[in-house]
Amino acid sequence: EVQLVESGGGLVQPGGSLRLSCAVSGFTFSGFNMNWVRQAPGKGLEWISFIESTGRTIYYADSVKGRFTISRDNDNNSLYLRMNSLRAEDTAVYYCVRDGGLMDIWGQGTTVTVSS
Amino acid sequence: QSVLTQPPSVSGAPGQRVTISCTGSSSNIGADYGVHWYQQLPGTAPKVLIYANRVRPSGVPDRFSGSKSGTSASLTITGLQAEDEGDYYCQSYDSSLLWVFGGGTKLTVL
Repeated sequence: EVQLVESGGGLVQPGGSLRLSCAVSGFTFSGFNMNWVRQAPGKGLEWISFIESTGRTIYYADSVKGRFTISRDNDNNSLYLRMNSLRAEDTAVYYCVRDGGLMDIWGQGTTVTVSS
Repeated sequence: QSVLTQPPSVSGAPGQRVTISCTGSSSNIGADYGVHWYQQLPGTAPKVLIYANRVRPSGVPDRFSGSKSGTSASLTITGLQAEDEGDYYCQSYDSSLLWVFGGGTKLTVL
């Protein structure tokens, strides 16, 4: 069974940092590009980062560029998102999403709350 | 303000047909990038409903269909059922902004 399981969310103060993880199983992780997509409370979906299967090509949305870092460990079937300088507007559910030409498999999400 | 524009809400009675529009521009839908549709039921993660404009993944009922013309796309649901109630998002690729979503449409089954 294909599974994406996010972890690492929680409550953090403005200006703080957090590292999200996504554990992957059920498919050959190293063969797929991956994304992080977030959803603020009561709002729509926002793509925030992409990493190509080998990790060599990376893109970010302007809203997180310079603050967030995406990475992956193909040996351990894991995707990561390091989030620094967090702001209140970063409060959201963060989804790990497989990119099979489209965003075809989604994790259940992990919640990040930025508040003092 | 989303790059792809969807109506905030649509509604219909059971058995009826509804259509959700997704309007983009020449840098995304009009640039011949494919449009994908996602269904997000309450309290769950989004799932693919339609991809590449009109293709249904296995397991998606044929009540759901997609189309694309010019800088717009549409999702049509026929034979509306109570379990269809949720949020629907279109998504495409933009030559400047990369991966973009519509703002989402809340479907209410009356």
